[in-house]
Amino acid sequence: GDSVTQMEGPVTLSEEAFLTINCTYTATGYPSLFWYVQYPGEGLQLLLKATKADDKGSNKGFEATYRKETTSFHLEKGSVQVSDSAVYFCALRQTSGSRLTFGEGTQLTVNP
Amino acid sequence: GAGVSQSPRYKVAKRGQDVALRCDPISGHVSLFWYQQALGQGPEFLTYFQNEAQLDKSGLPSDRFFAERPEGSVSTLKIQRTQQEDSAVYLCASSLTRSGANVLTFGAGSRLTVL
Repeated sequence: GDSVTQMEGPVTLSEEAFLTINCTYTATGYPSLFWYVQYPGEGLQLLLKATKADDKGSNKGFEATYRKETTSFHLEKGSVQVSDSAVYFCALRQTSGSRLTFGEGTQLTVNP
Repeated sequence: GAGVSQSPRYKVAKRGQDVALRCDPISGHVSLFWYQQALGQGPEFLTYFQNEAQLDKSGLPSDRFFAERPEGSVSTLKIQRTQQEDSAVYLCASSLTRSGANVLTFGAGSRLTVL
């Protein structure tokens, strides 16, 4: 079945550092890929998405590119802020399905 | 409403008790999903409704879990004879369109602790 694997956390960075959170997936066909963010005490929020190979999703300075050849969707940000501290989830959805399949999540802490 | 509302936010149950978790989706949203998120893990799919029809319940872990959405709006997830392994955060999400192809809006979740 479909699965998503994220780099293990937690990740701790200093403000203005470069962020990469790795995400790889196993799935048949061409799923849509997502990054969700969960701030403390809040619900999951969609951060960005990409629906086909080579698409780049971007939002709030975060970017991720759908790489079919490496089955990856790594999340990057050039300069993190303290307010980016949260748990980040990579997820996929099959074009024919409705459910999201999530990775385990990566806790990010940004220190001033 | 402005967002997806879930209640209670926190529930402590003794092993063997029945619990009911409520989800109020955004008004007019057709699709509704339930997910289970164990501590330190990603959410896992439980079940999916399109209006009042439960189209997919393949993620429900046992027959102790039951979900309904009788009028196509509010949904209730019921867990009978709770076990310690049921301890988790239960997330509800809704979407305007069928199949959830549009953006999902998640609630803050109901945290269940079974003692």
